[in-house]
Amino acid sequence: LAKTTQPISMDSYEGQEVNITCSHNNIATNDYITWYQQFPSQGPRFIIQGYKTKVTNEVASLFIPADRKSSTLSLPRVSLSDTAVYYCLVGVMEYGNKLVFGAGTILRVKS
Amino acid sequence: DADVTQTPRNRITKTGKRIMLECSQTKGHDRMYWYRQDPGLGLRLIYYSFDVKDINKGEISDGYSVSRQAQAKFSLSLESAIPNQTALYFCATSVLGLAGADTQYFGPGTRLTVL
Repeated sequence: LAKTTQPISMDSYEGQEVNITCSHNNIATNDYITWYQQFPSQGPRFIIQGYKTKVTNEVASLFIPADRKSSTLSLPRVSLSDTAVYYCLVGVMEYGNKLVFGAGTILRVKS
Repeated sequence: DADVTQTPRNRITKTGKRIMLECSQTKGHDRMYWYRQDPGLGLRLIYYSFDVKDINKGEISDGYSVSRQAQAKFSLSLESAIPNQTALYFCATSVLGLAGADTQYFGPGTRLTVL
């Protein structure tokens, strides 16, 4: 089970680009990297998922270097509504292989 | 996500009572999960089910049981509630994503308080 390490918290201002890095040194060959966002008292919401290189969707980009030992979630031009907890998960949900939500990164966006 | 519903949304009960939390989904997903979240912590997996006849223990299954009544329904029971089971409980479903791994969809949560 790949252990992940993320910063506990980050602060940013509206309109800035925010990059949150997740370390996962023991990632396995068939593991994927998935990021979720959670607002207080709500269930997590899927943001983005990738295996290698770069993935981009309408809300974020995910950068994964060749060795896959880390990944970076990039949020372009954040707004106050992006204030939330962001979780990095590494693995696949299969029998005996449980995805683990760590403590996540608390992102605070200020005006 | 409105496609995953949980009932009740809030529940206060007493130690020793039996409690059932229910989850329904209209996404048509085979895979369903129950998590709990304690203040300031991430989510911990209690049980998961990959299809109607499949039940698997997660990270913290002691004190809990589940029932998968149909593809769309997955219930979590606390046979004899205790105060340290006070937490926010989430149900989730998943489907294999375009990138090749599961994407999970979470319900709104049930806030359970055991006195």
